[in-house]
Amino acid sequence: GQQVMQIPQYQHVQEGEDFTTYCNSSTTLSNIQWYKQRPGGHPVFLIQLVKSGEVKKQKRLTFQFGEAKKNSSLHITATQTTDVGTYFCAGPGRETSGSRLTFGEGTQLTVNP
Amino acid sequence: DAGVTQSPTHLIKTRGQHVTLRCSPISGHKSVSWYQQVLGQGPQFIFQYYEKEERGRGNFPDRFSARQFPNYSSELNVNALLLGDSALYLCASSLGLSYNSPLHFGNGTRLTVT
Repeated sequence: GQQVMQIPQYQHVQEGEDFTTYCNSSTTLSNIQWYKQRPGGHPVFLIQLVKSGEVKKQKRLTFQFGEAKKNSSLHITATQTTDVGTYFCAGPGRETSGSRLTFGEGTQLTVNP
Repeated sequence: DAGVTQSPTHLIKTRGQHVTLRCSPISGHKSVSWYQQVLGQGPQFIFQYYEKEERGRGNFPDRFSARQFPNYSSELNVNALLLGDSALYLCASSLGLSYNSPLHFGNGTRLTVT
């Protein structure tokens, strides 16, 4: 079945440092979505990328979708303590309908003030 | 606007018992999906319902079942609980059936099986 892998599993940074998490799918994706889950919370939708090579920015967050639509990355510039949480990428299944998503294992980010 | 609401928040059950988890989607959302999240892992898809019909099922045993009601709320039932069923159960609603519809998650139900 479809697999979505993320690296690294954990990342500890000093406040102000940059952070990047990488996502790789075993299959070509029609789109990729990113979610953030704060400690003790639930996943919250951040963004969706659809086009090959697409780059989207949200303030200090930059999201990229690979040319082959099998990989993606999330880069945070100058991390802040509010960025703490686990970041998940997720891609839809092979089914042509339905919003079933396969999530990666997530990258847990901790930020030391 | 109210978000996705789930009940109960926490639940402790013993092996062999059954459990019913409830979810109310965002108003106007017709699709409800259920995910299981084991500690330290990403959410795993269990079911999707749209317009009261099952539209997708993940790799979970028949002990897991669900349904959606005319008001689009949903229940997840798990029978013959096992220790390995201990997890955070997340309900997510979306506007449509398509994979282009982002998921809006509830706060989840934390199930502990002893």
